[in-house]
Amino acid sequence: NAGVTQTPKFQVLKTGQSMTLQCAQDMNHEYMSWYRQDPGMGLRLIHYSVGAGITDQGEVPNGYNVSRSTTEDFPLRLLSAAPSQTSVYFCASRETGGENQPQHFGDGTRLSIL
Amino acid sequence: SQKIEQNSEALNIQEGKTATLTCNYTNYSPAYLQWYRQDPGRGPVFLLLIRENEKEKRKERLKVTFDTTLKQSLFHITASQPADSATYLCALDMLRYGGSQGNLIFGKGTKLSVKP
Repeated sequence: NAGVTQTPKFQVLKTGQSMTLQCAQDMNHEYMSWYRQDPGMGLRLIHYSVGAGITDQGEVPNGYNVSRSTTEDFPLRLLSAAPSQTSVYFCASRETGGENQPQHFGDGTRLSIL
Repeated sequence: SQKIEQNSEALNIQEGKTATLTCNYTNYSPAYLQWYRQDPGRGPVFLLLIRENEKEKRKERLKVTFDTTLKQSLFHITASQPADSATYLCALDMLRYGGSQGNLIFGKGTKLSVKP
């Protein structure tokens, strides 16, 4: 079982460059989300989606775009990378229907912006 | 604003002892609370969920309590082993604050080290 797959695992960018972090899940989960994790801070929600074609902002959405054209994929785009976006990014998915559903996380993308 | 605190950044205990981790929250009334384990270089892995109307939940050597009056959850690992060494995160739902079912707010985590 692949679960939630994130690519790439590591990336170094220069300020102003753009890139897309990929996230795919094979569990047919409707809900998907992106978090960032910084030292000394908890995971913070960037964007989330409750199904294909539907996205919404989380706690820290500025500087990031998302789209959800299929149930399986939920890419995160940085249009113009800034050093403040250096972080570890985690994608997660969960079943909808019922509040007692756990999140399934990928193993993260470690992103450095120079 | 809502605030969630795990009051120990690190906890060191001897193998065989019970580890107790604390999660406190303020300005909040969560419908449920979750605990996750995170190993270095990996994503969080779900361990347990407890609802606001449940006092205690158990799974093998793990026990979680939830006191909505104290606004606190305790996470216990009994007969701890070196393999239990990891960072443990607590997370609360955002259902009552306009969030979608699934949106969570996380604590910073407690790094547990179990010494042989």
